[in-house]
Amino acid sequence: GDSVTQMEGPVTLSEEAFLTINCTYTATGYPSLFWYVQYPGEGLQLLLKATKADDKGSNKGFEATYRKETTSFHLEKGSVQVSDSAVYFCALNLEYGNKLVFGAGTILRVKS
Amino acid sequence: SAVISQKPSRDICQRGTSLTIQCQVDSQVTMMFWYRQQPGQSLTLIATANQGSEATYESGFVIDKFPISRPNLTFSTLTVSNMSPEDSSIYLCSVEGQNTGELFFGEGSRLTVL
Repeated sequence: GDSVTQMEGPVTLSEEAFLTINCTYTATGYPSLFWYVQYPGEGLQLLLKATKADDKGSNKGFEATYRKETTSFHLEKGSVQVSDSAVYFCALNLEYGNKLVFGAGTILRVKS
Repeated sequence: SAVISQKPSRDICQRGTSLTIQCQVDSQVTMMFWYRQQPGQSLTLIATANQGSEATYESGFVIDKFPISRPNLTFSTLTVSNMSPEDSSIYLCSVEGQNTGELFFGEGSRLTVL
């Protein structure tokens, strides 16, 4: 079945460090890919998305590129801030109106 | 985007009781989704609620335990019945963006069952 695998956390970084959170997927079709973020005590928010191969989603300094050949959608940020501390979820959706399949989530902790 | 309001935001419940969570959306939507997020875990879809028809439940979830109402295009409720400590979770309501495939989430209802 369709699935999403994320790197295990927690990931602990110092402020201004480079961030990569790996995400790979398994899907029978051509999914749309998403990164959601959950800040402490808040609900999930869409961070970025990509709907087809080679698309790059970006928002708030975060980027992820849809790599069909490696079935990956790794999240990157060049310089993290303390305020980026949150749980990050990679997810896929095969078709509109269908359910999202989420990865396990990766906790990011950024220290000043 | 959609603005989703959930009530209650949190509650502490006694074993064996039931609690109904409300979800209000600021626009009309065809489908509403209910997810569960158990402590330290990812989100699991409980069911999809369509207006005017019975909810569609995912494997492992049944209507007797999680009855859902969908009386109109902007509102839904999820009831967690006969609760046990294993039901302690965050329950999230979500709706799909217009032809985008992305989901918008409410802030969630954090239930603790003693």
